[in-house]
Formats: sequence, structure tokens, C-alpha cells
Amino acid sequence: QLQLQESGPGLVKPLETLSLTCSVSGDSIATSNYYWGWIRQAPGKGLEWIASVYYSGRANYNPSLKSRVTISVDKSKNQFSLELTSVTAADTAVYYCAREGRYKGYELKDDYFVMDVWGQGTTVTVSS
Amino acid sequence: QSALTQPASVSGSPGQSITISCTGTASDIGFYDYVSWYQQHPGTAPKLIIYNVATRPSGVSTRFSGSKSGNTASLAISGLQSEDEATYYCCSYANDITFVFGTGTEVTVL
Repeated sequence: QLQLQESGPGLVKPLETLSLTCSVSGDSIATSNYYWGWIRQAPGKGLEWIASVYYSGRANYNPSLKSRVTISVDKSKNQFSLELTSVTAADTAVYYCAREGRYKGYELKDDYFVMDVWGQGTTVTVSS
Repeated sequence: QSALTQPASVSGSPGQSITISCTGTASDIGFYDYVSWYQQHPGTAPKLIIYNVATRPSGVSTRFSGSKSGNTASLAISGLQSEDEATYYCCSYANDITFVFGTGTEVTVL
């Protein structure tokens, strides 16, 4: 059974870099057709897709965060990571990692563009 | 890329049916049939309940159904139960790169 677990500091100072890791168990991160992504949710707010990465290192970024975000993958550890630079209070949120399907089949019913398995989330607070 | 628009809240009595709308643009919902819906109970991670507009993952109740017309997607919940009380988010693939979520709808079972 696939499981994802986020880890990282719960408190980050303003203007510093937020670093999180997602550990994947139950399957290899080097799986065709799946990316591995990050989504966040500010207190009392909705969900925001941040970025995702393929095991090859190919990445996709939310344009609104792209200048501050780096996502990477470590196949040897079956993990992927997120770095968000120059954080402010607006970056305070629960950060979720998730498996993200991104593939087109021969028919529409075989297409799969969705975040289907999520970690439990980790709370990050930006404060001095 | 702006968030998809959902009503802030929807309510219904047990056994009734409700519908949640999700309005986007021609760059997301209107262009792709990759609309998904998530159910989130307080303090927990979102759970996938619909993908590809109308497909239910294995194990999801048949009381949940999805549809799309133009730039608007909808989630219907029939036979409303107390356990359905949660916040629901739509999501769409967009611009060949990103995913965009809806603003969220809080469902109350009266």
C-alpha cells in the first residue's frame, strides 16, 4: 500500500528557506506515468498546487511560486523534496505531498491527470 | 491562474441530494476533461472521490457523481449522510502544466 510522509521543521523564520521532504513507501518513486508533488493549505483557506517532479528530475511549477520554489527527487532514498525561499507569513500552511498522475492513454478513459494519494500533511509556521 | 469558483456552503437534510458547482475558464475546465473532486474532513488530508470529471476511484460510494458542461463542473451527492459533512474541493488540470483548485464548499447536513 502506497504511503507518503512529510517531514521538516515546523517553524521557519521570515526570509529564510523552507525545506520539506516526502518519504514514499510501498512503491518505487521511479514509477512511469506518475509525478510527485506538493500542495499547501493556508489556515482556513483552500488548496494550492505548488509543484511536481518526475523521477527523471523533470519538474512542473506553479507560475505564481516558480521564482521561489525548487523541487527535487532522490531515487536512492525514495524521497522527493521541496525548497521555498524567502518565506513570509503568507507561506504559513499545512504542506501536503501527493502522488500525481500525468499520462494520456489511447482513449480518454485511460487518461490520468490527478493527485490520488496524499500524505497526512505537515504544518509549517513562518514566524520570528 | 485564478482559483476555480465554488459556492462557500451548501446544506441539505439526510437523504436529500445536493449539487456543488465549480466554475473555471476555457483554459482549465473548459479545455480539459481532467476535473477531480476531493473531500476533506477537518484536520485530515483531502481524499479523492472523483477524477476525469465523472470516474469514481475504487471504494468511493456511488452516491457521489460528477459531470461537466462548458466551463462548469458539478459534484452531486445523493442520499446525504452525516458522514458527508466536509469541505469539497474541485480541481482541474490547466495550461498543460499546472493544477488549479476550487475555493472549496462546506457541506452541512442539517
